[in-house]
Amino acid sequence: DGGITQSPKYLFRKEGQNVTLSCEQNLNHDAMYWYRQDPGQGLRLIYYSQIVNDFQKGDIAEGYSVSREKKESFPLTVTSAQKNPTAFYLCASTRGPGSTEAFFGQGTRLTVV
Amino acid sequence: QKEVEQNSGPLSVPEGAIASLNCTYSDRGSQSFFWYRQYSGKSPELIMFIYSNGDKEDGRFTAQLNKASQYVSLLIRDSQPSDSATYLCAVLNSGGYQKVTFGIGTKLQVIP
Repeated sequence: DGGITQSPKYLFRKEGQNVTLSCEQNLNHDAMYWYRQDPGQGLRLIYYSQIVNDFQKGDIAEGYSVSREKKESFPLTVTSAQKNPTAFYLCASTRGPGSTEAFFGQGTRLTVV
Repeated sequence: QKEVEQNSGPLSVPEGAIASLNCTYSDRGSQSFFWYRQYSGKSPELIMFIYSNGDKEDGRFTAQLNKASQYVSLLIRDSQPSDSATYLCAVLNSGGYQKVTFGIGTKLQVIP
């Protein structure tokens, strides 16, 4: 079945460490997105990518980095520069221009200990 | 002004009533509009999408779009306790670099 796979589901990180969240899709979608969700904040866009080797900052990109070396993969690195990284992270994808639907992964809950 | 605005709620309705969820957006050229339902601790799931002015019905759900007023709504008829969740409005923008922007979500409580 086609879909988006995020791993791991739960992740614990020590302060000062970088950590990478995985997002893989087999939908042959061009566009991929990373969102962060905090209580009462809704989904906020971190980074997005329309094509391989290209990506754009979203509304809250500081402290995060991404890469898009393959169409299927869009990993998100939470760096030590992110001051409040504990949150629920969601990856999504769309076909690209003209899309009418976004597909989501199951999310990764990151906790800094 | 936020790109997509929703009232965070909670919106409480009795079982069997009509729940009305509202959303406004700022980008007049936005193309497509989505309603997602999110249960606590789960990922959002798509309920409906709409891209033409007017109403679109699917079972107990009706999405309404008014592009002139930059307003989209979701009506849930015969509300059930299982409809209790947060409902997210999302907008696909009109720019060359497409992105989906979400509202904060409205928490709906259906009272048995």
